[in-house]
Amino acid sequence: QVQLTESGPGLVHPSETLSLTCTVSGFSLTGYSVYWVRQPSGKGLEWMGRMRYNGDTSYNSALKSRLSISRDTSKNQVFLKMNSLQTDDTGTYYCTRDRGFGWYSPWGQGVMVTVSS
Amino acid sequence: DIQMTQSPASLSASLEEIVTITCQASQDIGNWLAWYQQKPGKSPQLLIYGATSLADGVPSRFSGSRSGTQYSLKISRLQVEDPGIYYCLQGYSAPNTFGAGTKLELK
Repeated sequence: QVQLTESGPGLVHPSETLSLTCTVSGFSLTGYSVYWVRQPSGKGLEWMGRMRYNGDTSYNSALKSRLSISRDTSKNQVFLKMNSLQTDDTGTYYCTRDRGFGWYSPWGQGVMVTVSS
Repeated sequence: DIQMTQSPASLSASLEEIVTITCQASQDIGNWLAWYQQKPGKSPQLLIYGATSLADGVPSRFSGSRSGTQYSLKISRLQVEDPGIYYCLQGYSAPNTFGAGTKLELK
C-alpha cells in the first residue's frame, strides 16, 4: 500500500529552521518523485519543491533562498528544511507522490506547523 | 514561472445545477493539468489529471476539458457532497503552480 507520512515539530520559533520528514512506503524513491506542498492558514495550496526520482531538486522561486530538500533512499525518507521562519509560514505542510501530468497521489495527512514565540 | 489564473474565486450553486470552473495558463502546458478538491481539514483529492482523465473512484459527473491554454472543470449535476475548494495545478514545468482556488458552496 502506497503511503506518505509527514512528521516534524508542531511549533517553531520565529527566525528558526523548520525540519520536516516525509516517510514513504509502498514505492521506491528512486522510481518516483516526491513533492512538498504547503497551505498557509486560511489560504490556498502552494507548491514548495520536489525531490525527483533521480535525485534532482527544484524549488518555488519565492522560497528558494530559504528551502532545501534532500533524501535518504535507504530509509525511504525525504527531508525538507526551511530557514528564517516567520509567522506567515504557519500552516499545514504536505508531501505527495508525482505520477505525471499533474497527478499527485497519494498525499500525506499533512503536518500542522505553527510559527510563534 | 507559469501562472495559473483560476476563476471564479467563489461560487454558489443549487443541487443538480451545472458548475464550471476555469484555469487559464500563462503559456502552453499541453495536457499537464490536474484538478483537486479539498474539504476542510483534509488533504487535497485528485479529480482529473492530464486535463481530461478522470481519477479512479471519482464520480462521472466530474469532467475536464481544454481549449488552448484554458482548462475547465465541469460538475454536471451538483451533489450535496461536492462543496469544497477546487484547485487546478500545472505539472508541465517546475516550479509547478496551483491556481488560487475556487470555493464552491451550496445555495
